[in-house]
Amino acid sequence: GEDVEQSLFLSVREGDSSVINCTYTDSSSTYLYWYKQEPGAGLQLLTYIFSNMDMKQDQRLTVLLNKKDKHLSLRIADTQTGDSAIYFCAERNSGYALNFGKGTSLLVTP
Amino acid sequence: DAGVTQSPTHLIKTRGQHVTLRCSPISGHKSVSWYQQVLGQGPQFIFQYYEKEERGRGNFPDRFSARQFPNYSSELNVNALLLGDSALYLCASSLSQMNTEAFFGQGTRLTVV
Repeated sequence: GEDVEQSLFLSVREGDSSVINCTYTDSSSTYLYWYKQEPGAGLQLLTYIFSNMDMKQDQRLTVLLNKKDKHLSLRIADTQTGDSAIYFCAERNSGYALNFGKGTSLLVTP
Repeated sequence: DAGVTQSPTHLIKTRGQHVTLRCSPISGHKSVSWYQQVLGQGPQFIFQYYEKEERGRGNFPDRFSARQFPNYSSELNVNALLLGDSALYLCASSLSQMNTEAFFGQGTRLTVV
């Protein structure tokens, strides 16, 4: 995961928007992913984007991709307490394996 | 429709022992990948198997091995366990080797004492 970097912690109030950021290093065409992990659980695929796209929206989730800066963000609208979890950014490498960041711990307070 | 299932969910082993972890992919998925997640870190890629052949290997010692069966289920084996092997072991399945959509199981929590 050393090629993918994320901030480690984010705290937001319920109802606000959350923005989780990620930078990656692979400059080739690839897929970029956001996964969610709740305590003691596996990874849940939230959404993904191909590197020729700028944006993808899926209900409360919006992914923005800045290819020039190799920057990926996940915006969660109307954040709820059930959104509290660790969010992982990942890129698919040339061997089709996923390289993960260390995860951003999102805390949603009432 | 069942998701990715892994067994066991938890186990405790002693240093030097051997362990076998099992994974059943989503029905119709032919690719299985294994990841190790140490506490506080992101998952690290160990192996990918597709159509019963190894298609990718991460930076792990030869103590780690795996195989895929004709029904596409998979086993991960770890020999000569070390304390540092304590981790959550995750299995992911996808339709093809390209791994465009990878779905993870709940993981096996291995503790080595």
